[in-house]
Amino acid sequence: QVQLVQSGAEVKKPGASVKVSCKASGYTFTSYDINWVRQATGQGLEWMGWMNPNSGNTGYAQKFQGRVTMTRNTSISTAYMELSSLRSEDTAVYYCARAYYYDSSACFDYWGQGTLVTVSS
Amino acid sequence: AIQMTQSPSSLSASVGDRVTITCRASQGIRNDLGWYQQKPGKAPKLLIYAASSLQSGVPSRFSGSGSGTDFTLTISSLQPEDFATYYCLQDYNYPPVFGQGTKLEIK
Repeated sequence: QVQLVQSGAEVKKPGASVKVSCKASGYTFTSYDINWVRQATGQGLEWMGWMNPNSGNTGYAQKFQGRVTMTRNTSISTAYMELSSLRSEDTAVYYCARAYYYDSSACFDYWGQGTLVTVSS
Repeated sequence: AIQMTQSPSSLSASVGDRVTITCRASQGIRNDLGWYQQKPGKAPKLLIYAASSLQSGVPSRFSGSGSGTDFTLTISSLQPEDFATYYCLQDYNYPPVFGQGTKLEIK
């Protein structure tokens, strides 16, 4: 069965960086893009970017350009999302999600359990 | 970026009710829209993709319709486990954009 298992909660100080991992199992890791979505407490879902695990190609939401980096280690079927220059507004649950493509579009068919990142001095 | 507007933002209903949630795109997105259900403390779950295709394992009381700019998610007979927040997501244009969510509460 397809599973995405994320790393545990993190507490970071403003200005620091955080790196969240997302380990895939139950499918061929390099065959599906991984997207990252975040959700501040009590707020809606916000798309952050995507990565193709096969090529390493990435695309980021303009809001996060320059602060986010998405990478992968194909030998252990794991995707990573690193966010730098953290501020209090980055406190949120971060999700990875697998992209399933149909026609020329995509949906997110499997999600990780979420990783809470708290930014506090 | 395309804007996605959901309505209502919250909704109270009873078990057995028929419920409809609407998502409107700021420009045409063909049928490149999905619906997701999220329960408190849990990850979102895909219900519908391509506006009207039911994801495997999702109960048939969920259905989606629409094309272009106007889309609906319908739950034909609400069950206790359906009380959650629902989001639409467009993937026609980059970047993907979520609606702001509709919280479905028990009346």
